[in-house]
Amino acid sequence: EPEVTQTPSHQVTQMGQEVILRCVPISNHLYFYWYRQILGQKVEFLVSFYNNEISEKSEIFDDQFSVERPDGSNFTLKIRSTKLEDSAMYFCASTTWPGETQYFGPGTRLLVL
Amino acid sequence: AQSVAQPEDQVNVAEGNPLTVKCTYSVSGNPYLFWYVQYPNRGLQFLLKYITGDNLVKGSYGFEAEFNKSQTSFHLKKPSALVSDSALYFCAVYAGNNRKLIWGLGTSLAVNP
Repeated sequence: EPEVTQTPSHQVTQMGQEVILRCVPISNHLYFYWYRQILGQKVEFLVSFYNNEISEKSEIFDDQFSVERPDGSNFTLKIRSTKLEDSAMYFCASTTWPGETQYFGPGTRLLVL
Repeated sequence: AQSVAQPEDQVNVAEGNPLTVKCTYSVSGNPYLFWYVQYPNRGLQFLLKYITGDNLVKGSYGFEAEFNKSQTSFHLKKPSALVSDSALYFCAVYAGNNRKLIWGLGTSLAVNP
């Protein structure tokens, strides 16, 4: 069964450093999402991406964040200058259409020191 | 404003007893409703969804949920809980005028042996 994959599984970085989180969505999916979850609590929407552009973003997704689909398979989230409060679990998800089931990757645990 | 409420942060139930995890929603238009489960240190897994049709929806691992339009609820149920059902459960809703899912804050289910 196809699945969403994410790399790395864990990332430790120093405050102020740039990080890139990678996701490979399910191949026939068209809509892609990034979410974050702090300490196993609520799931926070960051951004949705469709047709090579951002379709919606939350107030969390400020100028420090960017997303890209650099080729036909990868979907990346870049944090330009990490802050301590960016420490969280980051999940990628994909779907064929916003009203359909979203399939989630296993997540990247980001720790900013 | 469109919203999803999971009124209980935590639900405790004895193994073998029925369980209910509550979800209510407020959206304009016809809702598409989802339940996801998150086991410890894992990503989110799709459990079940309601889009149209029979109000009682059956999903994975013996779970089911009932769509109640008049009460704007979509409670998750299972007739006989297992210890392995202990996890975090998230309710989410999509309505046509959004391009993203609206998420509840999650309910932690603890099933005691």
